[in-house]
Amino acid sequence: DAGITQSPRHKVTETGTPVTLRCHQTENHRYMYWYRQDPGHGLRLIHYSYGVKDTDKGEVSDGYSVSRSKTEDFLLTLESATSSQTSVYFCAIRDDRDGNTIYFGEGSWLTVV
Amino acid sequence: AQTVTQSQPEMSVQEAETVTLSCTYDTSESDYYLFWYKQPPSRQMILVIRQEAYKQQNATENRFSVNFQKAAKSFSLKISDSQLGDAAMYFCAYRGNFGNEKLTFGTGTRLTIIP
Repeated sequence: DAGITQSPRHKVTETGTPVTLRCHQTENHRYMYWYRQDPGHGLRLIHYSYGVKDTDKGEVSDGYSVSRSKTEDFLLTLESATSSQTSVYFCAIRDDRDGNTIYFGEGSWLTVV
Repeated sequence: AQTVTQSQPEMSVQEAETVTLSCTYDTSESDYYLFWYKQPPSRQMILVIRQEAYKQQNATENRFSVNFQKAAKSFSLKISDSQLGDAAMYFCAYRGNFGNEKLTFGTGTRLTIIP
């Protein structure tokens, strides 16, 4: 257990509305990530953070923004949700004390109707 | 760009038997990490095993072991004494070491355990 909590776990929202997913970690890891999982694509990196207020884009960042104002929280925001953003979203941390292994949260199911 | 290929979309094995899942990858880097993750129906991503490329010895974790062939860019997962709880999707993943924060995943292998 890497001490990662995602919220909400399930959400249904309407097209055009803003949505924020929260990732909370309890073990003071420096690196945090947001991935999405879609059929046929495995997991793809959206954004990541390497410290408070330090973030960078991943391979599918369009339509998403992130913020990290505290070490323990990494927020993913969909400014105006679209149906193509219906997906399962995973938060992850990198454990530098454990061979730089990436550990994942339990996932957040987002449906945009 | 790095790519990860899992050529077996589905595999099945009898309970208590051994099964090997294949993974190949393409990279120009010399130092990197490789992982196998298990995703049961709950959709949680669970780390099974990891391998650092600089280590020649194959990683093992209880019933799970890998066959890491660096020159061939191959990273297969062997599951011994298969159990019903091993049924899941298995993903192979690659991460570079220097300034590359992205985990690149294969498309997965669905493993079925036959009682």
